[in-house]
Amino acid sequence: GDKVKQSPSALSLQEGTNSALRCNFSIAATTVQWFLQNPRGSLINLFYLVPGTKENGRLKSAFDSKESYSTLHIRDAQLEDSGTYFCAAETSSGSWQLIFGSGTQLTVMP
Amino acid sequence: NAGVIQTPRHKVTGKGQEATLWCEPISGHSAVFWYRQTIVQGLEFLTYFRNQAPIDDSGMPKERFSAQMPNQSHSTLKIQSTQPQDSAVYLCASSLGGKAEQFFGPGTRLTVL
Repeated sequence: GDKVKQSPSALSLQEGTNSALRCNFSIAATTVQWFLQNPRGSLINLFYLVPGTKENGRLKSAFDSKESYSTLHIRDAQLEDSGTYFCAAETSSGSWQLIFGSGTQLTVMP
Repeated sequence: NAGVIQTPRHKVTGKGQEATLWCEPISGHSAVFWYRQTIVQGLEFLTYFRNQAPIDDSGMPKERFSAQMPNQSHSTLKIQSTQPQDSAVYLCASSLGGKAEQFFGPGTRLTVL
């Protein structure tokens, strides 16, 4: 099964509304990164988390390693927030590789 | 800081040809990673280096794929006898090392005809 399960797989939002994306881990995640892949394909770093929370403008993210999940909250969605959001986890295996979720395709509509 | 640089951005090869992809990590970063992205498989880890030494190649296909890091300023991913199923976007990332944030390059889109 999926080691990093991301939900929802797709989401449409009206401009100005709020939403939350989630990743559930079936692995022992030690750190989590959230990325936005823009239409050109570049992965833009949003957050790097050890267990805890971080906030940056209209984005807020949390990672709970004991309950094995992470969330990304988007407040007051804007058109430029559209794209595919990925979460990725490092594990306690000793390898530094990231294990990615399958992504959430977000469309913000005017 | 130019970020992670990958060349070429696009490469088209015929079946059976060799493809070499290049990556220049962020200056001062000691770890370099290679990933592959396809529609079907998503983003998959291939291999990584720490201080130029190969550390984990558990994601690399056993045949035809190899990666090197001859110096601290570049790494290469070589695919011999390319097959249509090798078509993907190949992404390189670098980090300071340890449990640290990874930064990705723009990727090389490989198309095997």
